[in-house]
Amino acid sequence: AQSVTQLDSHVSVSEGTPVLLRCNYSSSYSPSLFWYVQHPNKGLQLLLKYTSAATLVKGINGFEAEFKKSETSFHLTKPSAHMSDAAEYFCVVSGNSGYALNFGKGTSLLVTP
Amino acid sequence: DAGVIQSPRHEVTEMGQEVTLRCKPISGHDYLFWYRQTMMRGLELLIYFNNNVPIDDSGMPEDRFSAKMPNASFSTLKIQPSEPRDSAVYFCASSSTSPAYQETQYFGPGTRLLVL
Repeated sequence: AQSVTQLDSHVSVSEGTPVLLRCNYSSSYSPSLFWYVQHPNKGLQLLLKYTSAATLVKGINGFEAEFKKSETSFHLTKPSAHMSDAAEYFCVVSGNSGYALNFGKGTSLLVTP
Repeated sequence: DAGVIQSPRHEVTEMGQEVTLRCKPISGHDYLFWYRQTMMRGLELLIYFNNNVPIDDSGMPEDRFSAKMPNASFSTLKIQPSEPRDSAVYFCASSSTSPAYQETQYFGPGTRLLVL
């Protein structure tokens, strides 16, 4: 079965400092992995996705993630946090059947001035 | 494209009433998903369709919930009768089997349901 574990439910950073949101995955085959972001009272927006091409994936708003098969990780990073990055972030793995996705529990990112 | 459209955006109803949530997927997408999001349980997949046919409804909580997709551009999620524990945000998402978009789901803004 495919699943993801987001290691932190809350992360707090100061504006201008790096962001690291951690995600480990479990999959019986080479998975597709995604990061989605949800701003308050909004729908989910795709940040980036990995589908067995380059292991370092660049997304929108300066975010990137690195697929590390040996560590079964797909951590999300950004060099410098902005106040507008405050949101809920979901790590996602493609599911067992068809195009269903399995979502992590989410990490709430707080950015302080 | 306008993206995934959901209506209503907010719904307040009383226990026992029927609730119908609506979704219009992105044109050309052949997969449609219904999710429910609560603080306690996070984001849960309720059901998904491929080419208007339900593929997996194992996430539907109970018989009070039903979903239909009569055509490629419209789907409904119905709760009858509604209960307070159904209060949540319900999201619709769609995706395409086109290789360029494979497995990427595009979400609507959600319907915030409150059952009193």
